[in-house]
Amino acid sequence: EAGVAQSPRYKIIEKRQSVAFWCNPISGHATLYWYQQILGQGPKLLIQFQNNGVVDDSQLPKDRFSAERLKGVDSTLKIQPAKLEDSAVYLCASSLDHPGQGGEQYFGPGTRLTVT
Amino acid sequence: AQTVTQSQPEMSVQEAETVTLSCTYDTSESDYYLFWYKQPPSRQMILVIRQEAYKQQNATENRFSVNFQKAAKSFSLKISDSQLGDAAMYFCAYYQIQGAQKLVFGQGTRLTINP
Repeated sequence: EAGVAQSPRYKIIEKRQSVAFWCNPISGHATLYWYQQILGQGPKLLIQFQNNGVVDDSQLPKDRFSAERLKGVDSTLKIQPAKLEDSAVYLCASSLDHPGQGGEQYFGPGTRLTVT
Repeated sequence: AQTVTQSQPEMSVQEAETVTLSCTYDTSESDYYLFWYKQPPSRQMILVIRQEAYKQQNATENRFSVNFQKAAKSFSLKISDSQLGDAAMYFCAYYQIQGAQKLVFGQGTRLTINP
Protein backbone atom coordinates (compact mmCIF):
# COMPACT_ATOMS: atom_id res chain seq x y z
CA GLU A 1 0.00 0.00 0.00
CA ALA A 2 1.41 3.37 -1.02
CA GLY A 3 1.87 5.83 1.81
CA VAL A 4 0.99 9.50 2.07
CA ALA A 5 2.86 11.46 -0.58
CA GLN A 6 3.93 15.07 -0.22
CA SER A 7 5.76 17.49 -2.46
CA PRO A 8 7.99 19.33 -2.54
CA ARG A 9 10.22 17.91 0.21
CA TYR A 10 12.09 21.16 0.68
CA LYS A 11 11.31 24.76 -0.16
CA ILE A 12 13.19 28.00 0.47
CA ILE A 13 11.42 31.29 -0.16
CA GLU A 14 11.79 34.90 0.83
CA LYS A 15 9.31 36.55 3.16
CA ARG A 16 6.22 37.96 1.48
CA GLN A 17 6.44 35.34 -1.29
CA SER A 18 3.80 32.66 -1.72
CA VAL A 19 4.21 28.89 -1.58
CA ALA A 20 2.03 25.84 -2.07
CA PHE A 21 2.33 22.31 -0.76
CA TRP A 22 0.68 19.23 -2.19
CA CYS A 23 -0.52 16.06 -0.47
CA ASN A 24 -1.86 12.79 -1.82
CA PRO A 25 -3.35 10.66 0.98
CA ILE A 26 -3.57 6.91 1.13
CA SER A 27 -6.22 5.66 -1.26
CA GLY A 28 -9.62 5.38 0.39
CA HIS A 29 -8.77 7.50 3.43
CA ALA A 30 -11.65 9.85 4.12
CA THR A 31 -9.93 12.16 6.56
CA LEU A 32 -6.95 14.36 5.74
CA TYR A 33 -4.94 16.56 8.08
CA TRP A 34 -2.38 19.32 7.68
CA TYR A 35 -0.01 19.93 10.58
CA GLN A 36 2.67 22.54 11.21
CA GLN A 37 5.73 21.32 13.13
CA ILE A 38 8.08 24.06 14.27
CA LEU A 39 11.59 22.89 15.15
CA GLY A 40 11.71 21.42 18.63
CA GLN A 41 7.92 21.20 19.02
CA GLY A 42 5.20 18.67 18.42
CA PRO A 43 2.96 18.97 15.36
CA LYS A 44 0.05 21.39 15.57
CA LEU A 45 -3.11 20.77 13.57
CA LEU A 46 -3.86 23.47 11.01
CA ILE A 47 -6.85 22.00 9.20
CA GLN A 48 -8.78 18.76 9.00
CA PHE A 49 -10.91 17.57 6.07
CA GLN A 50 -13.44 14.80 5.88
CA ASN A 51 -13.79 13.97 2.21
CA ASN A 52 -13.83 17.47 0.66
CA GLY A 53 -15.43 19.27 3.61
CA VAL A 54 -13.59 21.16 6.34
CA VAL A 55 -14.08 19.63 9.81
CA ASP A 56 -11.77 21.90 11.80
CA ASP A 57 -9.72 24.91 10.73
CA SER A 58 -9.73 26.75 14.04
CA GLN A 59 -5.92 26.98 14.17
CA LEU A 60 -5.40 27.95 10.54
CA PRO A 61 -4.18 31.58 10.18
CA LYS A 62 -6.78 32.39 7.59
CA ASP A 63 -5.34 35.79 6.70
CA ARG A 64 -2.41 34.05 5.00
CA PHE A 65 -3.05 30.29 4.92
CA SER A 66 -5.58 28.51 2.76
CA ALA A 67 -6.24 24.86 1.98
CA GLU A 68 -8.49 22.87 -0.25
CA ARG A 69 -9.25 19.25 -0.95
CA LEU A 70 -10.96 19.08 -4.29
CA LYS A 71 -12.85 15.86 -5.09
CA GLY A 72 -12.03 14.54 -1.63
CA VAL A 73 -8.62 13.18 -2.59
CA ASP A 74 -5.53 15.39 -3.09
CA SER A 75 -5.06 18.51 -1.03
CA THR A 76 -3.05 21.70 -1.32
CA LEU A 77 -1.97 24.07 1.43
CA LYS A 78 -0.99 27.60 0.44
CA ILE A 79 0.73 30.40 2.30
CA GLN A 80 0.48 33.92 0.92
CA PRO A 81 2.36 36.01 1.93
CA ALA A 82 4.88 34.02 3.95
CA LYS A 83 6.41 35.31 7.17
CA LEU A 84 9.65 34.31 8.87
CA GLU A 85 7.70 32.50 11.60
CA ASP A 86 6.17 30.18 8.99
CA SER A 87 9.48 28.32 8.77
CA ALA A 88 8.55 24.78 9.79
CA VAL A 89 7.88 21.28 8.53
CA TYR A 90 4.38 20.91 7.10
CA LEU A 91 3.04 17.42 7.61
CA CYS A 92 0.12 15.85 5.85
CA ALA A 93 -1.63 12.86 7.38
CA SER A 94 -4.62 10.74 6.48
CA SER A 95 -6.90 8.36 8.32
CA LEU A 96 -9.33 5.70 7.21
CA ASP A 97 -11.58 6.50 10.16
CA HIS A 98 -13.91 9.43 10.42
CA PRO A 99 -13.30 12.08 13.08
CA GLY A 100 -14.30 10.85 16.51
CA GLN A 101 -13.21 7.28 15.92
CA GLY A 102 -9.65 7.98 17.03
CA GLY A 103 -8.12 5.93 14.29
CA GLU A 104 -4.45 5.79 13.39
CA GLN A 105 -3.17 8.68 11.36
CA TYR A 106 -0.63 7.93 8.65
CA PHE A 107 1.88 10.69 8.10
CA GLY A 108 3.71 11.79 4.99
CA PRO A 109 7.42 12.72 4.91
CA GLY A 110 6.65 16.42 5.28
CA THR A 111 7.73 19.57 3.46
CA ARG A 112 10.46 21.57 5.14
CA LEU A 113 9.84 25.28 4.53
CA THR A 114 12.48 27.90 5.16
CA VAL A 115 11.46 31.54 4.92
CA THR A 116 14.38 34.00 4.67
CA ALA B 1 -8.00 23.49 25.99
CA GLN B 2 -6.38 20.11 26.32
CA THR B 3 -2.63 20.10 26.90
CA VAL B 4 -0.05 17.34 26.76
CA THR B 5 3.22 17.63 28.66
CA GLN B 6 6.38 15.60 28.13
CA SER B 7 8.76 16.67 30.85
CA GLN B 8 11.83 14.85 29.49
CA PRO B 9 13.26 16.67 26.45
CA GLU B 10 15.97 14.02 26.09
CA MET B 11 16.53 10.49 27.34
CA SER B 12 19.24 7.94 26.70
CA VAL B 13 19.46 4.22 27.35
CA GLN B 14 21.93 1.43 26.78
CA GLU B 15 21.09 -1.04 24.06
CA ALA B 16 19.05 -3.99 25.41
CA GLU B 17 18.02 -2.04 28.52
CA THR B 18 14.57 -0.70 29.41
CA VAL B 19 13.54 2.94 29.31
CA THR B 20 10.35 4.76 30.31
CA LEU B 21 9.16 7.99 28.71
CA SER B 22 6.75 10.16 30.68
CA CYS B 23 3.62 11.98 29.56
CA THR B 24 0.89 13.82 31.42
CA TYR B 25 -2.19 15.46 30.00
CA ASP B 26 -4.94 17.75 31.09
CA THR B 27 -8.59 17.14 30.23
CA SER B 28 -12.04 17.26 31.75
CA GLU B 29 -13.32 14.61 29.35
CA SER B 30 -13.87 10.98 30.34
CA ASP B 31 -13.66 9.38 26.91
CA TYR B 32 -10.64 9.90 24.70
CA TYR B 33 -7.68 8.17 23.09
CA LEU B 34 -4.00 8.43 23.85
CA PHE B 35 -1.17 7.70 21.45
CA TRP B 36 2.59 7.44 21.28
CA TYR B 37 4.08 8.33 17.90
CA LYS B 38 7.69 7.83 16.85
CA GLN B 39 9.52 10.20 14.49
CA PRO B 40 12.93 8.83 13.43
CA PRO B 41 15.48 11.32 12.08
CA SER B 42 14.44 12.45 8.59
CA ARG B 43 11.77 9.80 8.45
CA GLN B 44 8.02 9.71 8.70
CA MET B 45 6.09 9.73 11.93
CA ILE B 46 4.59 6.36 12.74
CA LEU B 47 2.19 5.09 15.39
CA VAL B 48 3.78 3.10 18.21
CA ILE B 49 0.83 2.35 20.47
CA ARG B 50 -2.77 3.42 21.13
CA GLN B 51 -4.85 3.37 24.33
CA GLU B 52 -8.59 3.89 24.69
CA ALA B 53 -9.41 5.73 27.92
CA TYR B 54 -12.34 3.45 28.75
CA LYS B 55 -10.07 0.40 28.82
CA GLN B 56 -8.39 -0.31 32.13
CA GLN B 57 -5.94 -2.76 30.62
CA ASN B 58 -2.69 -1.23 29.50
CA ALA B 59 -1.93 -1.54 25.78
CA THR B 60 1.10 -3.52 24.64
CA GLU B 61 2.76 -3.92 21.24
CA ASN B 62 5.70 -6.30 21.31
CA ARG B 63 8.51 -4.49 23.19
CA PHE B 64 6.37 -1.40 23.76
CA SER B 65 3.89 -1.05 26.62
CA VAL B 66 2.14 1.78 28.40
CA ASN B 67 1.28 2.57 31.99
CA PHE B 68 -2.06 4.38 31.79
CA GLN B 69 -3.13 6.04 35.04
CA LYS B 70 -6.44 7.73 34.23
CA ALA B 71 -7.00 9.39 37.59
CA ALA B 72 -3.50 10.81 37.56
CA LYS B 73 -3.79 11.71 33.86
CA SER B 74 -0.51 9.97 33.19
CA PHE B 75 0.45 7.90 30.15
CA SER B 76 4.03 6.63 30.12
CA LEU B 77 5.69 4.50 27.44
CA LYS B 78 8.03 1.65 28.36
CA ILE B 79 10.44 0.30 25.78
CA SER B 80 11.97 -3.04 26.70
CA ASP B 81 15.13 -4.53 25.17
CA SER B 82 15.99 -1.21 23.51
CA GLN B 83 17.38 -1.45 19.99
CA LEU B 84 19.41 1.00 17.92
CA GLY B 85 16.42 1.43 15.63
CA ASP B 86 14.39 2.81 18.52
CA ALA B 87 16.36 6.05 18.41
CA ALA B 88 13.89 8.80 17.52
CA MET B 89 11.70 11.60 18.78
CA TYR B 90 8.73 10.21 20.66
CA PHE B 91 5.53 12.20 20.86
CA CYS B 92 2.67 11.62 23.23
CA ALA B 93 -0.70 12.68 21.82
CA TYR B 94 -4.26 13.08 23.09
CA TYR B 95 -7.39 12.69 20.97
CA GLN B 96 -10.76 13.94 22.18
CA ILE B 97 -13.80 12.04 20.91
CA GLN B 98 -16.45 14.69 21.58
CA GLY B 99 -16.18 18.30 20.50
CA ALA B 100 -12.82 19.25 19.04
CA GLN B 101 -11.80 15.92 17.51
CA LYS B 102 -8.12 16.42 16.89
CA LEU B 103 -4.74 15.15 17.99
CA VAL B 104 -2.93 17.35 20.49
CA PHE B 105 0.78 16.54 20.70
CA GLY B 106 3.30 17.00 23.46
CA GLN B 107 6.67 18.64 22.86
CA GLY B 108 8.44 15.34 22.31
CA THR B 109 11.26 13.36 23.94
CA ARG B 110 14.43 12.64 21.99
CA LEU B 111 15.57 9.08 22.75
CA THR B 112 19.17 8.08 22.16
CA ILE B 113 20.26 4.45 22.24
CA ASN B 114 23.86 3.86 23.32
CA PRO B 115 25.51 0.76 21.83
